Amino acid sequence: KAGVTQTPRYLIKTRGQQVTLSCSPISGHRSVSWYQQTPGQGLQFLFEYFSETQRNKGNFPGRFSGRQFSNSRSEMNVSTLELGDSALYLCASSATGRETQYFGPGTRLLVL
Amino acid sequence: AQSVSQHNHHVILSEAASLELGCNYSYGGTVNLFWYVQYPGQHLQLLLKYFSGDPLVKGIKGFEAEFIKSKFSFNLRKPSVQWSDTAEYFCAVNAIARQLTFGSGTQLTVLP
Repeated sequence: KAGVTQTPRYLIKTRGQQVTLSCSPISGHRSVSWYQQTPGQGLQFLFEYFSETQRNKGNFPGRFSGRQFSNSRSEMNVSTLELGDSALYLCASSATGRETQYFGPGTRLLVL
Repeated sequence: AQSVSQHNHHVILSEAASLELGCNYSYGGTVNLFWYVQYPGQHLQLLLKYFSGDPLVKGIKGFEAEFIKSKFSFNLRKPSVQWSDTAEYFCAVNAIARQLTFGSGTQLTVLP
């Protein structure tokens, strides 16, 4: 099976812009979770989607949003980018959410 | 809320030395426990997991971990490390709401 894929792998944006990141889960997986990884805060949970519904959300501002499509692919959007949003954004998929989560390579976002 | 503590931030060992990385979590209910590894330039990979049953679990590349419920611990061990084990190791807990809570990570450097 192909693993979790994320596009793009690298992004450079400026403050105030918005960005959309994409994630394709492992075939058959219906749960997609997003995490932010930074040197200072480590790995933090953003949100989880299952069958096109957001089931859980982490402690991030409303500028961070996401959605999931009927084919389980997911997108994450960050509006009004701030310098502190520079991070590696990781997507993980699992069958239903409670099992092992498998991670993609991440999208590295740099905000200037 | 669930939390995970990894007390060793950076461990330096010589090849063939034994390894033990500590992980403690705070949650009184049923938990699923994981160790992930992030090799330089690569994405997070699952080393091993514990859901139930035998508290001593074996993972890939000779790693094992022991779940001690009374101590809320899930320490990672390897009897003899290799230079290729140089990586960052993350302990994670999935207890509530289908989200992984990660520890801050332990950077392992193995000297040849």
